[in-house]
Amino acid sequence: ETGVTQSPTHLIKTRGQQVTLRCSSQSGHNTVSWYQQALGQGPQFIFQYYREEENGRGNFPPRFSGLQFPNYSSELNVNALELDDSALYLCASSFDISYGYTFGSGTRLTVV
Amino acid sequence: DAKTTQPPSMDCAEGRAANLPCNHSTISGNEYVYWYRQIHSQGPQYIIHGLKNNETNEMASLIITEDRKSSTLILPHATLRDTAVYYCIVRATSGTYKYIFGTGTRLKVLA
Repeated sequence: ETGVTQSPTHLIKTRGQQVTLRCSSQSGHNTVSWYQQALGQGPQFIFQYYREEENGRGNFPPRFSGLQFPNYSSELNVNALELDDSALYLCASSFDISYGYTFGSGTRLTVV
Repeated sequence: DAKTTQPPSMDCAEGRAANLPCNHSTISGNEYVYWYRQIHSQGPQYIIHGLKNNETNEMASLIITEDRKSSTLILPHATLRDTAVYYCIVRATSGTYKYIFGTGTRLKVLA
């Protein structure tokens, strides 16, 4: 059984740079969500894609953007990185929008 | 804003039942309660979910009060590998179906 795979596992970027994080959803899953988890906090919803369309967004600025591809893999892009963007970024996929989510292990982003 | 309130930490002796409470007093009639756990900054792992009836699976039991304003996750025989942060989540059943996480309970199972 394939799970949710995220890459890279760790990343260090400089303030002002741009970053792309990638997620390979579990086989057969058409829904993907991205979450940001700051140290010591619970994950915060960034946005969700369902069948390649964004269908929900949390309280994050437009410099956070995403894509879902026809094979249902996904990207999270963050422009103009700020120090507060340092966090664990989690991707979660679901068989369909109303089903429970399977989470990946995350990408640890450090902005210096 | 989080819709759940959990104690920040709990200890449990190995082999004993761990009872983790959660308050969700503003839960709506169409919202489910989900429980996930997160071990040492790995991705959250699904445990169980329910709407209004008590639920049991191979990992845990979920007890939801009749008014649905609170619930308890029960790990019947805690082991050291159950040491983790446990999140109680309220989830809508329409729209984005997004998860709203709180800050969780850090459970430490003691040998």
